[in-house]
Amino acid sequence: QKEVEQNSGPLSVPEGAIASLNCTYSDRGSQSFFWYRQYSGKSPELIMFIYSNGDKEDGRFTAQLNKASQYVSLLIRDSQPSDSATYLCAVNIDFGNEKLTFGTGTRLTIIP
Amino acid sequence: DGGITQSPKYLFRKEGQNVTLSCEQNLNHDAMYWYRQDPGQGLRLIYYSQIVNDFQKGDIAEGYSVSREKKESFPLTVTSAQKNPTAFYLCASSPARGGNTIYFGEGSWLTVV
Repeated sequence: QKEVEQNSGPLSVPEGAIASLNCTYSDRGSQSFFWYRQYSGKSPELIMFIYSNGDKEDGRFTAQLNKASQYVSLLIRDSQPSDSATYLCAVNIDFGNEKLTFGTGTRLTIIP
Repeated sequence: DGGITQSPKYLFRKEGQNVTLSCEQNLNHDAMYWYRQDPGQGLRLIYYSQIVNDFQKGDIAEGYSVSREKKESFPLTVTSAQKNPTAFYLCASSPARGGNTIYFGEGSWLTVV
């Protein structure tokens, strides 16, 4: 079983709708969780991080964490064409250093 | 401007040659990392360093070497022992230990010809 799993997509969402991206992880001791956005040919850029169970909102983005189910998600409200990118989920499995383990990413396409 | 600078952005290497990718940060971050990205495989950790003059192997260290002689610099050498070096290489850094976020440079594309 992979340590961090994401559906590779592509996920197509109409403009203005909610995009929902999901990620599961295998290590119950994981402490911190990150979402990065990566445009084609570019480096990943941080969108959000979450440490505690529940929801964390930042503008149009909401991260949701459920440690009991080992599940973290990212919701993008009012999706825009500029949100079309690959979204990488990353998990800090080895707390005490910042060695992140990444999923393979979900490719999101927003349809105008 | 503060940030992480990688160079060169594009590099072509002949088989059997070593090549060194530069990574410099002026963010005063303690930890630095090298990741490799191949299509469909996400990011895989090559080496990381949490303090000057110390570094640890990541998941795919074979065929690579690093040094950390200065806090702001963490160069990666891709040696001829690396069998499939063509990839997108990403350097990253983070402020301190204990769950802090890592930030990426713009990346270096290495192609073996």
